[in-house]
Amino acid sequence: ETAVFQTPNYHVTQVGNEVSFNCKQTLGHDTMYWYKQDSKKLLKIMFSYNNKQLIVNETVPRRFSPQSSDKAHLNLRIKSVEPEDSAVYLCASSRDWGVSYEQYFGPGTRLTVL
Amino acid sequence: GDSVTQTEGPVTVSESESLIINCTYSATSIAYPNLFWYVRYPGEGLQLLLKVITAGQKGSSRGFEATYNKETTSFHLQKASVQESDSAVYYCALGDLGGSNAKLTFGKGTKLSVKS
Repeated sequence: ETAVFQTPNYHVTQVGNEVSFNCKQTLGHDTMYWYKQDSKKLLKIMFSYNNKQLIVNETVPRRFSPQSSDKAHLNLRIKSVEPEDSAVYLCASSRDWGVSYEQYFGPGTRLTVL
Repeated sequence: GDSVTQTEGPVTVSESESLIINCTYSATSIAYPNLFWYVRYPGEGLQLLLKVITAGQKGSSRGFEATYNKETTSFHLQKASVQESDSAVYYCALGDLGGSNAKLTFGKGTKLSVKS
């Protein structure tokens, strides 16, 4: 049963454009995350948000910015995409922050930058 | 930084055969990290399969087992008899215990195909 929703599923864009991806969780969790899965299938954390406070920012380029309106939503904006941004972006949530809490993942958004 | 290395896929086994997917880790920020196996079934999102937070303990779920071995820094995933429904991508992951840098570090994933 899906409880972390991501839109869109796919997005193709040109270098320099701005894109925005949406994520919503219906689990009542307090913490949400964005991960990037690159072409080598490596999954890396980008951001974590707990009660609208940024917890982790893993040396992500400044063109990436998370946006949260409430604890159930965490969007990801990329201001001016680069070819190396082509990847699958996964959103996740957990009851609280801290790695002992199980993370629930969305299906992902695949971004292709031409 | 932390790192996780696991069996490079794809791995193909026949139904009812045994399976082992190797996972070794390197944790630079903490001596005894939490260890996880996540799984992604076709068409579904990544989900937790099992976790072990204490060194020396074993976790199990859906017939899979993994033992946290701090001496060999390993967390291999095993199943005695696989089924076709086990076909998926399996990810080993490491997490520190908390603090401002709490995060999961994943391996590259191992794609398993079980043939009938």
